[in-house]
Amino acid sequence: DAGVTQSPTHLIKTRGQQVTLRCSPKSGHDTVSWYQQALGQGPQFIFQYYEEEERQRGNFPDRFSGHQFPNYSSELNVNALLLGDSALYLCASDSGTSTDTQYFGPGTRLTVL
Amino acid sequence: GENVEQHPSTLSVQEGDSAVIKCTYSDSASNYFPWYKQELGKRPQLIIDIRSNVGEKKDQRIAVTLNKTAKHFSLHITETQPEDSAVYFCAASIVNTGFQKLVFGTGTRLLVSP
Repeated sequence: DAGVTQSPTHLIKTRGQQVTLRCSPKSGHDTVSWYQQALGQGPQFIFQYYEEEERQRGNFPDRFSGHQFPNYSSELNVNALLLGDSALYLCASDSGTSTDTQYFGPGTRLTVL
Repeated sequence: GENVEQHPSTLSVQEGDSAVIKCTYSDSASNYFPWYKQELGKRPQLIIDIRSNVGEKKDQRIAVTLNKTAKHFSLHITETQPEDSAVYFCAASIVNTGFQKLVFGTGTRLLVSP
């Protein structure tokens, strides 16, 4: 049973660039959430995708956008990168039922120089 | 919106001692409270969770308690071992027809010395 996977593992970008991160949910899951974890902090909710639509969003600017594909995989896009966007980006999936447990992927470490 | 406070930020114990981490949440509608363990450079892993219709839950050396009136929940680890050393995060969420947004505490770094 495949768990949540993310790619790439690490990424280095410069300010102003754009980045795309990818996530494949755990087998049997259809809901994908993205979190940003700055160094020494707890994960912060960015947004959640279900049935290819964004259905919840945290307090993040429009530079952060996403997409979900018919196979439930998801992408996180960040435009006009800032130094402060450097963080570990975590994807989590769940089955969207009343017994939800979110399982996290290994994360993508983004460094903005 | 929901806010979760977590204490202490660091906790050092000797192997075999107990460790307690406490969290407070602000939104009385929160009904799901998971705890995650994150080792250095790795993903958060769910270790135990509790729902608002239960006051306590145990799983071997780990237990979680919930006080809905005070909006407090705590993680208890007994007979700590060096491999328990990690950062622990509490979280709160409102689970409603599949919608779930986890709000995390700031984490507790637990160090268990042999």
